[in-house]
Amino acid sequence: GDSVTQMEGPVTLSEEAFLTINCTYTATGYPSLFWYVQYPGEGLQLLLKATKADDKGSNKGFEATYRKETTSFHLEKGSVQVSDSAVYFCALSKAGANSKLTFGKGITLSVRP
Amino acid sequence: EAGVAQSPRYKIIEKRQSVAFWCNPISGHATLYWYQQILGQGPKLLIQFQNNGVVDDSQLPKDRFSAERLKGVDSTLKIQPAKLEDSAVYLCASRISGGSSYEQYFGPGTRLTVT
Repeated sequence: GDSVTQMEGPVTLSEEAFLTINCTYTATGYPSLFWYVQYPGEGLQLLLKATKADDKGSNKGFEATYRKETTSFHLEKGSVQVSDSAVYFCALSKAGANSKLTFGKGITLSVRP
Repeated sequence: EAGVAQSPRYKIIEKRQSVAFWCNPISGHATLYWYQQILGQGPKLLIQFQNNGVVDDSQLPKDRFSAERLKGVDSTLKIQPAKLEDSAVYLCASRISGGSSYEQYFGPGTRLTVT
């Protein structure tokens, strides 16, 4: 079945450091890919998405490119802030009536001042 | 626009007891999902509704879990009897009908502790 694999965490960075969080997927067909974020004490919210190969999703300084040849959707940010401290989930969704999200395990990011 | 509402936010019960969770999706969202998120893992789909019909309940432990969405709006998820391994956060999400790229909007979740 479909699956999403995220790099092991947690990740701790200093403010203004470069961030990369790896995500790879296994799926038949052409899934849509997502990054969701969960800030402390808040619910899951969409950070960015990409719906086809070579699409780049971006939001709040974060970027991720849909790479079909490597089945990857790595999340990057050039300069992290303390306010980026959260749990990040990579997920996929397939076309069709069953539009469920299949999530990775998530990774906790802590940014030090 | 109001978000997805869930209640209660927290619940503590003993094993073998029953519990029910309630979800009110965003107005106009035909698709509703219940996910289970165990500590340290990503959310896992339990059941998906399209209006008041079930699209996918393949991962729902039907011997103890049940869900309904009467009138295609609010939904309830019930566990009876609860087991220790049911301790988790139960998330409700909704979205408009259409392609898989449309965003799912999540509620704050109900944190269930089974002792």
